[in-house]
Amino acid sequence: AQTVTQSQPEMSVQEAETVTLSCTYDTSESDYYLFWYKQPPSRQMILVIRQEAYKQQNATENRFSVNFQKAAKSFSLKISDSQLGDAAMYFCAYRSPDNYGQNFVFGPGTRLSVLP
Amino acid sequence: NAGVTQTPKFQVLKTGQSMTLQCAQDMNHEYMSWYRQDPGMGLRLIHYSVGAGITDQGEVPNGYNVSRSTTEDFPLRLLSAAPSQTSVYFCASSYWDPRTGTQYFGPGTRLLVL
Repeated sequence: AQTVTQSQPEMSVQEAETVTLSCTYDTSESDYYLFWYKQPPSRQMILVIRQEAYKQQNATENRFSVNFQKAAKSFSLKISDSQLGDAAMYFCAYRSPDNYGQNFVFGPGTRLSVLP
Repeated sequence: NAGVTQTPKFQVLKTGQSMTLQCAQDMNHEYMSWYRQDPGMGLRLIHYSVGAGITDQGEVPNGYNVSRSTTEDFPLRLLSAAPSQTSVYFCASSYWDPRTGTQYFGPGTRLLVL
């Protein structure tokens, strides 16, 4: 079974600075999908970014970008120019390419604080 | 566009009581799922469904039942509530084909079992 690990339970960053959140996963599949979700205090789960494993190019969404290292099974999230609104729990998630089954697996999360 | 809706937002139960958490989506998604979120453990899958009439167990199914009579609705039933079921519950939906997108989440239901 796939597993997702986030080794940093908590992180902090100064406003306007850059922070990187780590995520590693374990899988025997060659094709899969990776996600970062943001959960602010409102508890709403918000998709931040998505990466297809077959794509070598790292995904980017405005200030958010990933460093996808397939061989190392690593999928880190970089937040540039951090803003107060970025403070939240961040979850890394893995999705199997299978169309049937328990195909989403989440990591335990990293709580990000943004200091003014 | 409502997306994924959940009711209630908050519920207090006594041990042994039963209740149903409601979930509905209006995006015609085939895949729906229920997660529970506990501190330090991320989201754990309770049950999921790949279409109307088809459900299966996830990682932590004990104490919960589901059914899927329509594409839109996927209720979660607690048969006899226990304090260990105190948690935040999320419903989510997505298309069958993983290439077409991601999972969309409801706002969550906070459940307290006394």
